[in-house]
Amino acid sequence: AQTVTQSQPEMSVQEAETVTLSCTYDTSESDYYLFWYKQPPSRQMILVIRQEAYKQQNATENRFSVNFQKAAKSFSLKISDSQLGDAAMYFCALTGNTPLVFGKGTRLSVIA
Amino acid sequence: GAVVSQHPSWVICKSGTSVKIECRSLDFQATTMFWYRQFPKQSLMLMATSNEGSKATYEQGVEKDKFLINHASLTLSTLTVTSAHPEDSSFYICSARRLAGGGGYQETQYFGPGTRLLVL
Repeated sequence: AQTVTQSQPEMSVQEAETVTLSCTYDTSESDYYLFWYKQPPSRQMILVIRQEAYKQQNATENRFSVNFQKAAKSFSLKISDSQLGDAAMYFCALTGNTPLVFGKGTRLSVIA
Repeated sequence: GAVVSQHPSWVICKSGTSVKIECRSLDFQATTMFWYRQFPKQSLMLMATSNEGSKATYEQGVEKDKFLINHASLTLSTLTVTSAHPEDSSFYICSARRLAGGGGYQETQYFGPGTRLLVL
């Protein structure tokens, strides 16, 4: 079975500062993919960033980057220069040859 | 690219009626679509996996006769909540995974905007 754990139910960050959201996972698959999705108050799930497990290089999308530690099964999300629009629920997710498995989410507040 | 639409976005119905929710991939083909349910302040709960042209695979505890899923084409899946009751009130979200070879990230799921169902 695959599991995803997000140990921070809530986080807050000052506008323009940097914040890191934690995620650990467990899987027996050798080939898998990790994702961070954002769910703002509209409840639309938005893909933030994607990481292939076979790639050593950490994925980056503008202000969003990940720290992928495969041996430790850790996949944290770093948001730089935080903006008010970054306030949302963030879900870490994992897929191998199966449907996505989600963590319970981290609610991020951005303080002006 | 990778846009998924969902209709309706909001539905209120009387107890005992049936409600159909449509999920469409607008600019890509999806062999596989997924239906989720989300309760307030909780994560997404997978209800079923829908493959084009075959029967859906339901997760444990999900009543297949109550939540009918049809995946008639590579761009359309429907979820019908039959004989809806107040406990079926929830937020339902669909997602679509790209057809392999279609370009982009085949393993990535793209989500619709969701449907809020309220059963009175």
